[in-house]
Amino acid sequence: DIVMTQSPDSLAVSLGERATINCKSSQSVFYSYNSNNYLAWYQQKPGQPPKLLISWASVRESGVPDRFSGSGSGTDFTLTISTLQAEDVALYYCQQYYTTPWTFGLGTRVEIK
Amino acid sequence: QVQLQESGPRLVKPSQTLSLTCSVSGGSISSADYYWSWIRQPPGKGLEWIGYIYYSGTTFYNPSFKSRLIMSVDPSKNQFYLKLNSVTAADTAVYYCAREGTGLMRGVFDSWGQGTLATVSS
Repeated sequence: DIVMTQSPDSLAVSLGERATINCKSSQSVFYSYNSNNYLAWYQQKPGQPPKLLISWASVRESGVPDRFSGSGSGTDFTLTISTLQAEDVALYYCQQYYTTPWTFGLGTRVEIK
Repeated sequence: QVQLQESGPRLVKPSQTLSLTCSVSGGSISSADYYWSWIRQPPGKGLEWIGYIYYSGTTFYNPSFKSRLIMSVDPSKNQFYLKLNSVTAADTAVYYCAREGTGLMRGVFDSWGQGTLATVSS
């Protein structure tokens, strides 16, 4: 199985500041055939199910604010919240869909400083 | 806007079978564009994909569960189901049903149920 490792486990950021979450896969999730990274990001607020934010490492879902951005390739990926808002307090998970079984990172908790 | 809702017993005894239902509304489970998945989250832990089923009945399971997992679907009711046998305390988790894409979007979960906590305890 591909192991997804997220860092940090948690971070506290001031409102309006940048939050950066890292995700590393134990093997590449880049498929050279179509030049795509099979990596998604989800947001989970307390008491709610996860919500898909980004697929293909950098493609935002419809309706996701543009302060959320994804980057990276191969085995190293980043989710950036450019200007943290109060409603962004949540757990964030990365997930690979390069090969089954699909696997998730353990999550990064984002809080307000 | 598709909606998914899990239902089933909240308490299961060790060694017995956990049975859950996912009811889909606002969209057809018979769509060729989607698989229907189960994902779980043990208390305080991360997410674990269990498996998916297609409306035709084709299944794909996480090998970690293969020996004790049965998934099924009833397109006439717009529902799909999970049966996990021989449960232990380690199977205590919030169980989510989710819609998974097909083709290039296989493995991407774009809609989720609210989740149901299933506890394994005597």
